[in-house]
Amino acid sequence: DAKTTQPTSMDCAEGRAANLPCNHSTISGNEYVYWYRQIHSQGPQYIIHGLKNNETNEMASLIITEDRKSSTLILPHATLRDTAVYYCIAYSSSGSARQLTFGSGTQLTVLP
Amino acid sequence: DGGITQSPKYLFRKEGQNVTLSCEQNLNHDAMYWYRQDPGQGLRLIYYSQIVNDFQKGDIAEGYSVSREKKESFPLTVTSAQKNPTAFYLCASSISREDGYTFGSGTRLTVV
Repeated sequence: DAKTTQPTSMDCAEGRAANLPCNHSTISGNEYVYWYRQIHSQGPQYIIHGLKNNETNEMASLIITEDRKSSTLILPHATLRDTAVYYCIAYSSSGSARQLTFGSGTQLTVLP
Repeated sequence: DGGITQSPKYLFRKEGQNVTLSCEQNLNHDAMYWYRQDPGQGLRLIYYSQIVNDFQKGDIAEGYSVSREKKESFPLTVTSAQKNPTAFYLCASSISREDGYTFGSGTRLTVV
């Protein structure tokens, strides 16, 4: 699975859009980009995933560049409850193993 | 409601003792996983199981054991061979990569 690179931390003002970048320059054609978040001392929560096209759901939007080497998770109107560690993962379930590899993620702090 | 239940939430163990962490899911997911998380770190895979009566070692399996006798259950035993067991343990399950992973709320194990 491709390695991803994320900033260690970011701040965002409450009510503003939070844009979390992720680099995955070695991503292969069959690897999806997944985003999870983890609020302190809780289990991670699935947010969104995509392969090539931009995706949107009730939680967030995912913008993937045309070359697929990077992506951005957008929380359109951040709230204090969005303060969490956000993990970007490039993942393929091809082969016999299906596993997600979690790095250190980005600590997003939403400020009042 | 469907989900994953981990118990207990907090667990204390004396050095040299084995301890078993429970993970039960009613999501009808085939695959289940155990992760370990240390403070300020990402998740590291301990064991995973893609089907009943089958499981595979992850990246840090030494000192741990698992069983998968039922689809719903994937208990993790932390043995006395695990030299540094104090950590936050997370169980997850998945039915397909499109659905992502569902995580439990975790068990915090402390060796005293």
